[in-house]
Amino acid sequence: DIQMTQSPSTLSTSVGDRVTITCRASQSISSWLAWYQQKPGKAPKLLIYKASSLESGVPSRFSGSGSGTEFTLTISSLQPDDFATYFCQQYKSFPYSFGQGTKLEIK
Amino acid sequence: EVQLVESGGGLVQPGGSLRLSCAASGFTLSSYAMSWVRQAPGKGLEWVSAISGSGGGAYYADSVKGRFTISRDSSKNTLYLQMNSLTAEDTAVYYCAKDSLIRFGGYFDCWGQGTLVTVSS
Repeated sequence: DIQMTQSPSTLSTSVGDRVTITCRASQSISSWLAWYQQKPGKAPKLLIYKASSLESGVPSRFSGSGSGTEFTLTISSLQPDDFATYFCQQYKSFPYSFGQGTKLEIK
Repeated sequence: EVQLVESGGGLVQPGGSLRLSCAASGFTLSSYAMSWVRQAPGKGLEWVSAISGSGGGAYYADSVKGRFTISRDSSKNTLYLQMNSLTAEDTAVYYCAKDSLIRFGGYFDCWGQGTLVTVSS
């Protein structure tokens, strides 16, 4: 099974900050990685697929990069609506697996 | 508009059974692979099960294999998750999620709002 490890688990940030979240896979997943945003009491929302492709309707301040085992999600200038929890997910093989999540908190 | 609406959650005793439903609208369910993903209270996301849109089979997480069964009714455009022999560890919000592909191997581009399953005596 492929294990996904995100860091950090929590990040205290401010509006306007540049934020980077890292996701590591226990083995190569090529570019079969997605990023989701989840707000309290809501379903996850797709942000990025295939490691770096921006889902339609998602603001361009979100970007993804990486391949193989190391991936990053970057928010170029944090907005108030971006305070949420972010998950990475590999879909290269079953069982699909998620990172444990990164919660963005207001500093 | 593509939409998924789950139902069927509730309180069930340990060892009991429950069937979750996920009604799809705005697309044909059988044209895409579908998954169930759960989230225990205050925890992360755990993939549970997937079914191919092409009738090519189903996959399960080890934690539910032999107890849960995923299926769909094309005439009702509805996905199901039959859950048997439930334990406290199955307590979670259960989401259905639409795959981006008809076969397995896509990302989840649409999620339902979730339905809460609580296993407790």
